[in-house]
Amino acid sequence: QSVLTQPPSVSAAPGQKVTISCSGSTSNIGTNHVAWYQQLPGTAPKLLIYDSDQRPSGIPDRFSGSKSGTSATLVITGLQTGDEADYYCGTAGVFGGGTRLTVL
Amino acid sequence: QLQLQESGPGLVKPSETLSLTCTVSGGPINRRSYYWGWIRQPPGKGLEWIGSIYYRGSTSYNPSLASRLTMSVDTSNDQFSLRLTSVTAADTAVYYCARHEALCTSSDCYGPGNWFDPWGQGLLVIVPS
Repeated sequence: QSVLTQPPSVSAAPGQKVTISCSGSTSNIGTNHVAWYQQLPGTAPKLLIYDSDQRPSGIPDRFSGSKSGTSATLVITGLQTGDEADYYCGTAGVFGGGTRLTVL
Repeated sequence: QLQLQESGPGLVKPSETLSLTCTVSGGPINRRSYYWGWIRQPPGKGLEWIGSIYYRGSTSYNPSLASRLTMSVDTSNDQFSLRLTSVTAADTAVYYCARHEALCTSSDCYGPGNWFDPWGQGLLVIVPS
């Protein structure tokens, strides 16, 4: 079991919005920024969000992040079939268990 | 463009030592604002941070692996390495190296931060049971 808690799976239709949650504690999310990663099948994870709500260069603004207290959230709008992947949150040396996104 | 590449054996016998090297290209490893880290992913499972090292040699290890883990850095060749002793089948995983944010003040950097970017392509290491 992972230190950070994510739902195992989420799904939505193309063009819709999906939200992925990440729950932690005061010792991790509560006192640190959160990062989000996208892992497409058979590839290495890719940084999507850093410092809880910042996008690296080249990441579309369809991806956004936020943090409140000991929880963080990744929101993906305008879903595309290419967004089908595993998504991980991470902070302070710990990761969530990952959430598999299915675009129906 | 910064790139990282893992290298090492794909098969390690139980009780032996796993040794991996990450070669950094497209930029020097002796950058003030970054640590250099290892993360692993067992087949079909999630990510686990192994440890990170600063170019000056200071390290931060996952407590669950610290007793078996040693990391080192070679700034002359822009490489950093991992040694994990007494491996078992539970150490079977894809091993990734990645640049790791450093937490810094205006005068000093004091530890690894919260994000990894970019990542190497990963190397599958199998420890048979």
